[in-house]
Amino acid sequence: GAVVSQHPSWVICKSGTSVKIECRSLDFQATTMFWYRQFPKQSLMLMATSNEGSKATYEQGVEKDKFLINHASLTLSTLTVTSAHPEDSSFYICSARDSRGGTDTQYFGPGTRLTVL
Amino acid sequence: GNSVTQMEGPVTLSEEAFLTINCTYTATGYPSLFWYVQYPGEGLQLLLKATKADDKGSNKGFEATYRKETTSFHLEKGSVQVSDSAVYFCALSLQYGNKLVFGAGTILRVKS
Repeated sequence: GAVVSQHPSWVICKSGTSVKIECRSLDFQATTMFWYRQFPKQSLMLMATSNEGSKATYEQGVEKDKFLINHASLTLSTLTVTSAHPEDSSFYICSARDSRGGTDTQYFGPGTRLTVL
Repeated sequence: GNSVTQMEGPVTLSEEAFLTINCTYTATGYPSLFWYVQYPGEGLQLLLKATKADDKGSNKGFEATYRKETTSFHLEKGSVQVSDSAVYFCALSLQYGNKLVFGAGTILRVKS
């Protein structure tokens, strides 16, 4: 199967700082990537759809100025949490859409644990 | 709207027991249905999928059948192993390959 990586795997930052999380598709090109947020013992909530070369599409209730998404290449999407606060602490997961051979499957990264102090 | 409801866990079973994890869905169209598994410390992995009514997805001894009449996609395995301990997520997509709507996840613990 296809491999998606995330970096960093965990990060601790002070309130008010910005944090960037990278999502890479390692062995395929992904024109579409997705960013999810997972709270403890809860499901994944889609935050936004990241499209290579165009603006991200945010889900209702997600602040686009708070969560900046950049999909600058076919293998890399970044999520920047700006002016982070403790309520932004969460597990952030990305996925990349693999459309090779008509399979059209989402492959998930291992996630990034963000803790804002 | 579109939503997925899974049975609450954790589900605790002995090795070689039969497993069922219930999943029902609400969708405005004709969704594709998925089961994802998340092993401890790892990312979500696609376990199986079904794209139309009456399709049966299967993988690693797990199977689920797309039941349109009951809007269900229950996950089953005849004999679980300790290595199956993980969190299982049911999900739907209204456009195959497009954004997913997840259920809450069900923790499975298998004891030897």
